[in-house]
Amino acid sequence: AQSVAQPEDQVNVAEGNPLTVKCTYSVSGNPYLFWYVQYPNRGLQFLLKYITGDNLVKGSYGFEAEFNKSQTSFHLKKPSALVSDSALYFCAVRVGFSSGSARQLTFGSGTQLTVLP
Amino acid sequence: SQTIHQWPATLVQPVGSPLSLECTVEGTSNPNLYWYRQAAGRGLQLLFYSVGIGQISSEVPQNLSASRPQDRQFILSSKKLLLSDSGFYLCAWTGRATSTDTQYFGPGTRLTVL
Repeated sequence: AQSVAQPEDQVNVAEGNPLTVKCTYSVSGNPYLFWYVQYPNRGLQFLLKYITGDNLVKGSYGFEAEFNKSQTSFHLKKPSALVSDSALYFCAVRVGFSSGSARQLTFGSGTQLTVLP
Repeated sequence: SQTIHQWPATLVQPVGSPLSLECTVEGTSNPNLYWYRQAAGRGLQLLFYSVGIGQISSEVPQNLSASRPQDRQFILSSKKLLLSDSGFYLCAWTGRATSTDTQYFGPGTRLTVL
């Protein structure tokens, strides 16, 4: 079984400050990890993913995430937050590919990020 | 490039009425397709997925059903809607070409059952 935890329902940060949205996972096997962002009444937008290689992954809109195998974490970060970053963020995980797999993702419960002007 | 469409964008239906939501993908072949429901703007619940035409797997027992009549078309249906079917329905696709493909989501359908 695979699971994802986003321990914070809400994160508030001042504009210009660094932001972190936390994610921890549990999976049997090598994890494939994803971050998505959702604006109100919109679909999820892909931000970045970790499959293998460098533990620091860079994605869209200046976001990055660090894969930490020992802590089973994949926290989303940005050096300087913008008001426009305010949205709902989802972490997701799945086990590495096997032939014929439906490749289902398991999503966390989401973290609402509010960037204050 | 690939595009995913969902319609309608919003829908208000009375309890007991039928439902049909449609999702189509352009620019790819033989995708995996997924239906999710999001209640109260939070967690995503996987409802159905499909790895090919006519192949549907259900994740949660409910009064909804799904069909895939064509390679890039995925339909979510109900014969009689319940109040609890209200929510935001999202369709997603992923390619079959590589093992690391990302799921890409459509714009969603907001369903309100009254």
